[in-house]
Amino acid sequence: AQTVTQSQPEMSVQEAETVTLSCTYDTSENNYYLFWYKQPPSRQMILVIRQEAYKQQNATENRFSVNFQKAAKSFSLKISDSQLGDTAMYFCAFMRGAGNNRKLIWGLGTSLAVNP
Amino acid sequence: GAGVSQSPRYKVTKRGQDVALRCDPISGHVSLYWYRQALGQGPEFLTYFNYEAQQDKSGLPNDRFSAERPEGSISTLTIQRTEQRDSAMYRCASSKLQGNTEAFFGQGTRLTVV
Repeated sequence: AQTVTQSQPEMSVQEAETVTLSCTYDTSENNYYLFWYKQPPSRQMILVIRQEAYKQQNATENRFSVNFQKAAKSFSLKISDSQLGDTAMYFCAFMRGAGNNRKLIWGLGTSLAVNP
Repeated sequence: GAGVSQSPRYKVTKRGQDVALRCDPISGHVSLYWYRQALGQGPEFLTYFNYEAQQDKSGLPNDRFSAERPEGSISTLTIQRTEQRDSAMYRCASSKLQGNTEAFFGQGTRLTVV
């Protein structure tokens, strides 16, 4: 069975600085996808970034980038130039790549506070 | 519709009552997923459908929980004889069957059992 671990329940960062959120996962699959979702106080669930396991290049979306280490089963999220609006819960999630079942396996989340 | 729509947004019910939560996915999205998120926790998978067929219901906690999607579009998650431990945010997500794997989430239904 797949598992996702986020070892940092809470983190804080000063506005404009860089922060890295950790995520590790366990799977025997070779083809899969990894995601970071953001859940702001409104409790909406917003996709931040996605990584395909077969791609060696780390995904980047504006100020958000990942460090994907497949052998180590690590998938960290780096937020550059942090903004107050980045304050939210961040969830790491895993999805199998094979078959039609696209269910997400989630970590417990990291609560990020961006301080002015 | 433009996005995934869930109703009601908030539901308070007395213990022992039945509740029905509705999800209207993005038009054309074949796959529909239900998740439950307790306060301070990550979401957990409940069940999913491709078209009208329920493909995996391994995450439903017990037989008080059921879901249907009779016409392959709108889905209803029903909880019978609600208990306080059922209180949570219930989220629905939809996605295309193949290719793009992004799941689009609705705003969720906050269920409180008193």
